[in-house]
Amino acid sequence: QPVLTQSASASASLGASVRLTCTLSRGHASYIIAWHQQQPGKAPRYLMNLQFRGVYSKGSGVPDRFSGSSSGADRFLVISNVQLEDEADYFCETWDSTTRVFGGGTKLTVL
Amino acid sequence: QVQLQESGPGLVRPSETLSLSCSVSGVSISSTTYYWGWIRQPPGKGLEWIGSVYNSGNSYHSASLKSRVIISIDASSNQFSLHLTSMTAADTGVYYCARQEDGFDIWGQGTMVTVSS
Repeated sequence: QPVLTQSASASASLGASVRLTCTLSRGHASYIIAWHQQQPGKAPRYLMNLQFRGVYSKGSGVPDRFSGSSSGADRFLVISNVQLEDEADYFCETWDSTTRVFGGGTKLTVL
Repeated sequence: QVQLQESGPGLVRPSETLSLSCSVSGVSISSTTYYWGWIRQPPGKGLEWIGSVYNSGNSYHSASLKSRVIISIDASSNQFSLHLTSMTAADTGVYYCARQEDGFDIWGQGTMVTVSS
């Protein structure tokens, strides 16, 4: 089954850009993933799904400053013009016919 | 607008069975082609998928929890349910229900479940 690897933490200055990485395990590089944002004390919020070739589809109401891209087994969440409300945990998710898995999450701190 | 809302006990005794329901509004779960899932999150930790169910009642579950999990659907009340047997302290956490498409795209607000005597 697929495994997703994320860095535990990241930081970005207010107004800057940041790229978060989710890496698919060997043999699963072509998988679609989803990105979710979880602000402190809240439920996760779906941001987008992201395909192997970097094509992504965002959820309703997700700001334009959120985008996605891909390179091989890596799936990126790019946040431009980072805002204070972007300080949150970010989880990636993937699936196959028998299971669904989440990455360990990246905690984004806005400086 | 599709919304999901979890309900159930906040406290469960060790060895007992947890029963949670997820009420869906804004769409009839029997008329859609989505799966509906349960996900949990221990305090301070990441997300763990528990299992998912289709409107036919067909379900699949995490391999690590499979022997303890029953997920069912009640189309007449537009709800789906989770039953998790033999609860221990390790099962403490927030339990979420969600709509499953390419990713879980709509989430409930979550319900905290504590396992304690």
